[in-house]
Amino acid sequence: RKEVEQDPGPFNVPEGATVAFNCTYSNSASQSFFWYRQDCRKEPKLLMSVYSSGNEDGRFTAQLNRASQYISLLIRDSKLSDSATYLCVVNNPSGSARQLTFGSGTQLTVLP
Amino acid sequence: ETGVTQTPRHLVMGMTNKKSLKCEQHLGHNAMYWYKQSAKKPLELMFVYNFKEQTENNSVPSRFSPECPNSSHLFLHLHTLQPEDSALYLCASSQDADRGGNEQYFGPGTRLTVT
Repeated sequence: RKEVEQDPGPFNVPEGATVAFNCTYSNSASQSFFWYRQDCRKEPKLLMSVYSSGNEDGRFTAQLNRASQYISLLIRDSKLSDSATYLCVVNNPSGSARQLTFGSGTQLTVLP
Repeated sequence: ETGVTQTPRHLVMGMTNKKSLKCEQHLGHNAMYWYKQSAKKPLELMFVYNFKEQTENNSVPSRFSPECPNSSHLFLHLHTLQPEDSALYLCASSQDADRGGNEQYFGPGTRLTVT
């Protein structure tokens, strides 16, 4: 099983749609969780951290389910500028807090 | 954004060349990282420096040699690379590598092609 697993997509959605991505992780001892976005041929940029109680930032909502070891990202009212690859990131506590493990990413295209 | 900068942005080198990648962070962070991103693959952590000390080396071949002269600067020295080393090399920084939960911020990357 991959340490961090994401549906690669692509997800093609119309503007204004709501889209949700899920991510599963294998290490139950993981403590830190993030969503990054990566535009084509650019670097990953932090979108949001994921907290145990769930958190929201504008149109973006992140949830963590420790029992099932999955993380979700919900995007409401999609904009064209949301088109990107979304990376699920989990810390790897088996080595140290120093290592983050990145998922392969889920590609989103928002269509006009 | 100028938080983390990398030079050069693009590099083409032959297998016998020696070159260096440079990374500089202006965020006052104490940890710096090198990642490799190949096409269709997730980011792979290569090296971690925390307070200028190398703390992680993820089984990276010796043809990649990191150097961290201070907390703001990180280099990756390259020699006798192979074509399969062609990839996007990303530098990142964070406040402190020993703190779980601290976010990493990435530079724009160096796109390396080995011919």
